[in-house]
Amino acid sequence: QVQLQESGPGLVEPSQTLSLTCTVSGDSINSNAYWWSWIRQSAGKGLEWIGRVHIAGTINYSPSFESRVTISVDTSKSQFSLKLNSVTAADTATYYCARDRFTMLRGLIHNWFDPWGQGTRVTVSS
Amino acid sequence: DIQMTQSPSSVSASVGDRVTITCRASQTISNYLNWYQQKPGNAPKVLIYAASSLESGVPSRFSGSGSGTDFTLTISRLQPEDFAIYYCQQSYTAPLTFGGGTKVEIK
Repeated sequence: QVQLQESGPGLVEPSQTLSLTCTVSGDSINSNAYWWSWIRQSAGKGLEWIGRVHIAGTINYSPSFESRVTISVDTSKSQFSLKLNSVTAADTATYYCARDRFTMLRGLIHNWFDPWGQGTRVTVSS
Repeated sequence: DIQMTQSPSSVSASVGDRVTITCRASQTISNYLNWYQQKPGNAPKVLIYAASSLESGVPSRFSGSGSGTDFTLTISRLQPEDFAIYYCQQSYTAPLTFGGGTKVEIK
């Protein structure tokens, strides 16, 4: 079964760039059937969807992050990545990567997040 | 952005109880609504997608209903392993958004 694993620094200094990678195993990241998303969870704002990437090259970002986020995919490494610039203490959170599954139900396309990585805690502090 | 509002924010219940959690969208989202369960230290796990479709492997005591702006997650007979936080999430349009969560606690 597919598994996702986040990796990256647990501590980032204010104004710097937060960089995380998600490694996908047990299934091909090349499938057209999925998007690959980043989501974060903090005590203050709960669960926030940051954005997603499709292997065809399409990327969607949440407007809340669009000005300072980059999501990319490296199919040769079966990985996708998140870069968040100009971080502040408000970016302290647990960051999750997740597969964005799609299915057709009664002619409509529905999607949901499954599975998720275990999450990685990132603290923004000097 | 579509705002998702859950109620109650917490509920105390006993094993065997029927528990109902409500999620309301700030605009109509048809049936583009998913439910997740999160236990301490773990990532959320999908229970219900498309408002009422049970994810494979999820016990049948979980059910979802609703359409438009109002949705419900019901746990028919609460089990010890069901004490957790439950989130709704709309998949109608980006940005995808989540509710604030409902904590199901032991009474």
